[in-house]
Amino acid sequence: AQSVTQLDSQVPVFEEAPVELRCNYSSSVSVYLFWYVQYPNQGLQLLLKYLSGSTLVKGINGFEAEFNKSQTSFHLRKPSVHISDTAEYFCAVSVNYGGSQGNLIFGKGTKLSVKP
Amino acid sequence: EAGVAQSPRYKIIEKRQSVAFWCNPISGHATLYWYQQILGQGPKLLIQFQNNGVVDDSQLPKDRFSAERLKGVDSTLKIQPAKLEDSAVYLCASSLETGTFYGYTFGSGTRLTVV
Repeated sequence: AQSVTQLDSQVPVFEEAPVELRCNYSSSVSVYLFWYVQYPNQGLQLLLKYLSGSTLVKGINGFEAEFNKSQTSFHLRKPSVHISDTAEYFCAVSVNYGGSQGNLIFGKGTKLSVKP
Repeated sequence: EAGVAQSPRYKIIEKRQSVAFWCNPISGHATLYWYQQILGQGPKLLIQFQNNGVVDDSQLPKDRFSAERLKGVDSTLKIQPAKLEDSAVYLCASSLETGTFYGYTFGSGTRLTVV
């Protein structure tokens, strides 16, 4: 079975500083990887996804993530955060069924708090 | 395009009462999902529909939870009777097709508090 571990439940950071949110996954088969963001009282919004190809994936709002197969990681990064990036971030995985996608399995989330 | 609509936004009920949530997916989306998000945890899939048929309900507590998607459009999720541990946000999501790369579009959720 697949699982996702987000290593930090909370990450405080100052505005304009860089940030990395860590995600590791466990799977015996090939997977697709996703990062979602959830602002207070809202649903989840897709930030970026890795399906195949280049291991460095760029998403919305200046975020990017790098897929590392050997370390089974998919860490999310942003070089300079804004107050508006304060939200909860979820890493998710789905099984690669030879080109089609299984259901999403989510990690427990990381709360990013950007301070002025 | 309009997003995924859910109602109500908030609901407070006493344990052993019943409650129902409604979801209207994006027009044309064949696949609909219900997720349960307990405080401090990531969303967990409860049930997945393809049109009006159930694809996966393996994690749905069927002794108290039920869901339907009549005519392959709107869906309702019901809990009867509710327990304290059912307190959570219930998220509905939809996608064009099952097993594609289109991604899921989530609604804003219904926050249920069982007291």
